[in-house]
Amino acid sequence: SYELTQPPSVSVSPGQTARITCSGDALPKQYAYWYQQKPGQAPVLVIYKDSERPSGIPERFSGSSSGTTVTLTISGVQAEDEADYYCQSADSSGLWVFGGGTKLTVL
Amino acid sequence: QVTLRESGPALVKPTQTLTLTCTFSGFSLSTSGMCVSWIRQPPGKALEWLALIDWDDDKYYSTSLKTRLTISKDTSKNQVVLTMTNMDPVDTATYYCARIPEAANGMDVWGQGTTVTVSS
Repeated sequence: SYELTQPPSVSVSPGQTARITCSGDALPKQYAYWYQQKPGQAPVLVIYKDSERPSGIPERFSGSSSGTTVTLTISGVQAEDEADYYCQSADSSGLWVFGGGTKLTVL
Repeated sequence: QVTLRESGPALVKPTQTLTLTCTFSGFSLSTSGMCVSWIRQPPGKALEWLALIDWDDDKYYSTSLKTRLTISKDTSKNQVVLTMTNMDPVDTATYYCARIPEAANGMDVWGQGTTVTVSS
């Protein structure tokens, strides 16, 4: 079955830039989405269609795509950004799949 | 204001069928492009996409679970129902429903989730 691969964890100091990657063979042809999930809460959409930001999401969140890898970038990381981040996309048949998630730790 | 709320049994026995209901407000599932999806998350583990139904009653299922899942909608009641057969302890999870306003726009609003435990 199709898989999206994310690093299990990323750590950054406040004010630095965090980059979380997501790799998958179908990513050149399928949009990617990013969700933020804090403990005990439902996920929140932070990036859609690879690089679009929903209203209400801070500008420090951005997304990019290059070949089989998409990247979520958080510039000027704040303590409140500590959370799990999941990428989501579709396989070649259009069926959705999530990555394994990345725990972002703000040191 | 768009809201979704999941409901269903908190505890089911192995081999039983789980029926979950997503009741929503603030949008209509008869609007062109609108979709509702189900997602689950076992304790301490990653999100897993389960199923999606769109405004035109097209249905899509996770490849690994499609033989056990059925998704349906009642537009007049603003509800989407998910059934999962032959429940097993590994199906213990928080189950979420989420709205997709158009297929390429992602799941923009989520319910708070409902926790289901599978145990005898």
